[in-house]
Amino acid sequence: DTEVTQTPKHLVMGMTNKKSLKCEQHMGHRAMYWYKQKAKKPPELMFVYSYEKLSINESVPSRFSPECPNSSLLNLHLHALQPEDSALYLCASSQGQGVTYGYTFGSGTRLTVV
Amino acid sequence: AQTVTQSQPEMSVQEAETVTLSCTYDTSESDYYLFWYKQPPSRQMILVIRQEAYKQQNATENRFSVNFQKAAKSFSLKISDSQLGDAAMYFCALMDSNYQLIWGAGTKLIIKP
Repeated sequence: DTEVTQTPKHLVMGMTNKKSLKCEQHMGHRAMYWYKQKAKKPPELMFVYSYEKLSINESVPSRFSPECPNSSLLNLHLHALQPEDSALYLCASSQGQGVTYGYTFGSGTRLTVV
Repeated sequence: AQTVTQSQPEMSVQEAETVTLSCTYDTSESDYYLFWYKQPPSRQMILVIRQEAYKQQNATENRFSVNFQKAAKSFSLKISDSQLGDAAMYFCALMDSNYQLIWGAGTKLIIKP
């Protein structure tokens, strides 16, 4: 299995809703990442987990809450989002945070906040 | 600060022709890694090619090759025999000493049949 699987593919939520994005990989990768990508822009790093511990939080608002329950799974919990949070949310993994082979990305979740 | 610049917002090429996408970067590191990623309409970011800065030899992956000019801090991507499936956004990226990716703004590649 050489994939990063993200669910759901599309999500529409109201500003008072709570939802979660899920990311899964079975490549034995020990670093996992959440990125936010606006249309026609490069991805922006949000969080990095290394060996299931949060190692980087790029000053992301607390309405985004990451969770890494095990080495294969990464969640992003969403609460009280704003319309400007509408974007493509990409998950990625790599063999380790210090490994330079590049990342494997999922296909993303297209989030719309109404 | 490390930066990556892609000066071509959009490029077009005839199918089967060759196209070169430009990327320049700035870093004070002596050892670093450079990447080209492709993002088709399916949205998945796909690694196209990787270059280690300490290697002088240009990386090649099938129809994709790079022209890495370390002194000029240039890292262009050449796509030979362009195919319709090559149509995508192409992002150049630099991996910094914290192993984070610094991204360029992207180039949209259009393939004309």
